[in-house]
Amino acid sequence: DVKVTQSSRYLVKRTGEKVFLECVQDMDHENMFWYRQDPGLGLRLIYFSYDVKMKEKGDIPEGYSVSREKKERFSLILESASTNQTSMYLCASSLGGQGINEQFFGPGTRLTVL
Amino acid sequence: GNSVTQMEGPVTLSEEAFLTINCTYTATGYPSLFWYVQYPGEGLQLLLKATKADDKGSNKGFEATYRKETTSFHLEKGSVQVSDSAVYFCALSDGGNNRLAFGKGNQVVVIP
Repeated sequence: DVKVTQSSRYLVKRTGEKVFLECVQDMDHENMFWYRQDPGLGLRLIYFSYDVKMKEKGDIPEGYSVSREKKERFSLILESASTNQTSMYLCASSLGGQGINEQFFGPGTRLTVL
Repeated sequence: GNSVTQMEGPVTLSEEAFLTINCTYTATGYPSLFWYVQYPGEGLQLLLKATKADDKGSNKGFEATYRKETTSFHLEKGSVQVSDSAVYFCALSDGGNNRLAFGKGNQVVVIP
């Protein structure tokens, strides 16, 4: 059974803390994505990666960075968390190459920044 | 750029009712279209997809037809169940690195 796992389901942090959200996929996928999901706004792409050590900005990269040192792992980093980063964070992965490939999603991490 | 528009607001209906969720899109080229579903407490999962005009995607009793002339991909189900209660997202991909553009989602609540 294919799987995308995220390190925490719920996380509470304080303003100014450095926050790491981890995502691991076991499908040998080339592409990995980080989204945030907010009520009334749907899913918005923060960053994605199409290969190890490669990354590209999505639609809302400000305040975030990412790391992809191994193919199976994609980390989202909040260098200095702020209250407006309170949200649900979803990781996804897909095959690379030509064609349209399904994205597989993790269960999400609900982050609260106090 | 690419964008997806879903009808506003949650949808509440009774069991066995007919469900329609509207989705229209704006895109350059010939995108592929998707419906994803998010059950309570879970991540998104692919419900169905269509990759070219006039294609019909179907799964679990849900259907959607890729209409290029109206730039639409409306989701339908003839008889909903309580277990269909979820949030439904329409999305499109133009193929570049498999990026998806999502609509805002519709909460569907099915009452017994």
